[in-house]
Amino acid sequence: DIQMTQSPSFLSASVGDRVTITCRASQSISSYLNWYQQKPGKAPKLLIYAASSLQSGVPSRFSGSGSGTDFTLTISSLQPEDFATYYCQQSYSTPRSFGQGTKLEIK
Amino acid sequence: QVQLVQSGAEVKKPGASVKVSCKASGYTFTGYYMHWVRQAPGQGLEWMGRINPNSGGTNYAQKFQGRVIMTRDTSSSTAYMELSRLRSDDTAVYYCAREVRTTARGMDVWGQGTTVTVSS
Repeated sequence: DIQMTQSPSFLSASVGDRVTITCRASQSISSYLNWYQQKPGKAPKLLIYAASSLQSGVPSRFSGSGSGTDFTLTISSLQPEDFATYYCQQSYSTPRSFGQGTKLEIK
Repeated sequence: QVQLVQSGAEVKKPGASVKVSCKASGYTFTGYYMHWVRQAPGQGLEWMGRINPNSGGTNYAQKFQGRVIMTRDTSSSTAYMELSRLRSDDTAVYYCAREVRTTARGMDVWGQGTTVTVSS
């Protein structure tokens, strides 16, 4: 099974900051990596699929990069609505697996 | 519009079973896998398994093998997840989510979640 590890687990930042979250797979997953945003009490929302493709309707301040085992999610200029928990997830094989999450909090 | 609507909250006793439904609308039901993902209180997302609504074929996480059954009814575009021999640590929000079958593009539509509480 493929293990996904995110870092950091917690991140404190201010509106307007540029932030980066990393995700590492335990083996190569090519570009089969997705990023989700989850707010309290809500279902996750797909932000990025295939490592770097922006899901329809997602603001362009979100971007993804990477391939193989190392991936990043970048938010270029944090907005108040971006404070949430972010998860990476591999779709290379079953069982699918998620990272443990990164909680992005307001500084 | 494309949506997944799940059944309502459940309270079960340890040892019982629960069956959660997920009704799809606005798209071709058989063209997308349906995944089931759960989230225990204050915890992260945990993949439970998926069903191919076209064939009925399933893949389950090892952790749930023997306790989970995923089925579908193509006539009503509804997927089901049944979890048996419930324990207190099965208390969680259970989500269904679709993923296009032809290429891995992530789970782009999610249900609203079903809270399952296991308590004596």
